[in-house]
Amino acid sequence: RKEVEQDPGPFNVPEGATVAFNCTYSNSASQSFFWYRQDCRKEPKLLMSVYSSGNEDGRFTAQLNRASQYISLLIRDSKLSDSATYLCAVATSGSARQLTFGSGTQLTVLP
Amino acid sequence: DADVTQTPRNRITKTGKRIMLECSQTKGHDRMYWYRQDPGLGLQLIYYSFDVKDINKGEISDGYSVSRQAQAKFSLSLESAIPNQTALYFCATSDPQRTGTDTQYFGPGTRLTVL
Repeated sequence: RKEVEQDPGPFNVPEGATVAFNCTYSNSASQSFFWYRQDCRKEPKLLMSVYSSGNEDGRFTAQLNRASQYISLLIRDSKLSDSATYLCAVATSGSARQLTFGSGTQLTVLP
Repeated sequence: DADVTQTPRNRITKTGKRIMLECSQTKGHDRMYWYRQDPGLGLQLIYYSFDVKDINKGEISDGYSVSRQAQAKFSLSLESAIPNQTALYFCATSDPQRTGTDTQYFGPGTRLTVL
């Protein structure tokens, strides 16, 4: 089983739709969680960190479920510009912790 | 100016050639990473370094070597390139102690093709 797994999609949704992605992780000692956005052939860029209490940034909401070991990303009122690949990343505990990335979920928002 | 830069941005080389990819950062971060990304796949960690005297293998280090010449510079070498090393290579930085987060910041990537 991979340490971090995502549904690869693709998700094709109409403009204005609400779409949600999940990302499961296998290491219960994981401490930090992130969502990155990656445009085609570009570098991943941090979209948002995921906090235990859940957090929202405009149309984007991230949540963490430690009991079931997954994080989620909800995008409301999808825009054409939201089309991208969304990568989740998980860091384990300890001083040597580093990020393990999921393979990404591809989203296309259609006009 | 970009905080994390990579050179070259694109490179085509032949099997058996030695090639070096370079990464520089102006963020002052102590940790640097090299990843490769293949189409449809996530980021695979090749090597990482927590300071100038620290080098660690990642999950796919075979066929690669690195050098941390300074806090701001981290180079990746392919001693004898082979076609299955054709990929997009990213450098990244982080500094959990200073920033309070494990967030990594990526360079623009180097597209490498090995013929």
